[in-house]
Amino acid sequence: EAQVTQNPRYLITVTGKKLTVTCSQNMNHEYMSWYRQDPGLGLRQIYYSMNVEVTDKGDVPEGYKVSRKEKRNFPLILESPSPNQTSLYFCASSLYYAGQVNQPQHFGDGTRLSIL
Amino acid sequence: ELKVEQNPLFLSMQEGKNYTIYCNYSTTSDRLYWYRQDPGKSLESLFVLLSNGAVKQEGRLMASLDTKARLSTLHITAAVHDLSATYFCAPGQGGSEKLVFGKGTKLTVNP
Repeated sequence: EAQVTQNPRYLITVTGKKLTVTCSQNMNHEYMSWYRQDPGLGLRQIYYSMNVEVTDKGDVPEGYKVSRKEKRNFPLILESPSPNQTSLYFCASSLYYAGQVNQPQHFGDGTRLSIL
Repeated sequence: ELKVEQNPLFLSMQEGKNYTIYCNYSTTSDRLYWYRQDPGKSLESLFVLLSNGAVKQEGRLMASLDTKARLSTLHITAAVHDLSATYFCAPGQGGSEKLVFGKGTKLTVNP
């Protein structure tokens, strides 16, 4: 079954304790992306990647890191989490065809992070 | 910087009625996506619009794109309760693979 898998689904942690949210897709997609969703603000893109070792900033990259060492995985790293990073996070993937992302993105089920 | 405005943000309508959700964006974009999100769930792709004048239909939903007016519409025909959800538009930012989402339109269809 084609899917985007995020882990963990829920996490409560404390300020400053490094954490990683994993994202894996089994569709051989080139494009992967991370979003955060906050009430009243909609979805905002954090980082995206067009292929292995190719990443770029979205609209809200501050406080986050990503890596793309393998095509299927795109982990989101919070080196020193703060309460303002409490949010619902989604990972997504898509084909990258003819020089652009022109296919719909497949979203994971989301990760709810609470940082105290 | 691409800005996206969806209207309305909240929409309560009766079953059987028609309505349109509008998505305006501020700068050139060569593609636009519509997504649906049910409460507590992830996002589901509805439409991908890739050219000026593109129109796509699926069931009671029809999406269109006017790149010159920087406007996309999502038209709902004869609404049913199952269409209750939040709908997001997301134009791609020209020249990059950034995607900018609108704030979403929360649709409630009442019997």
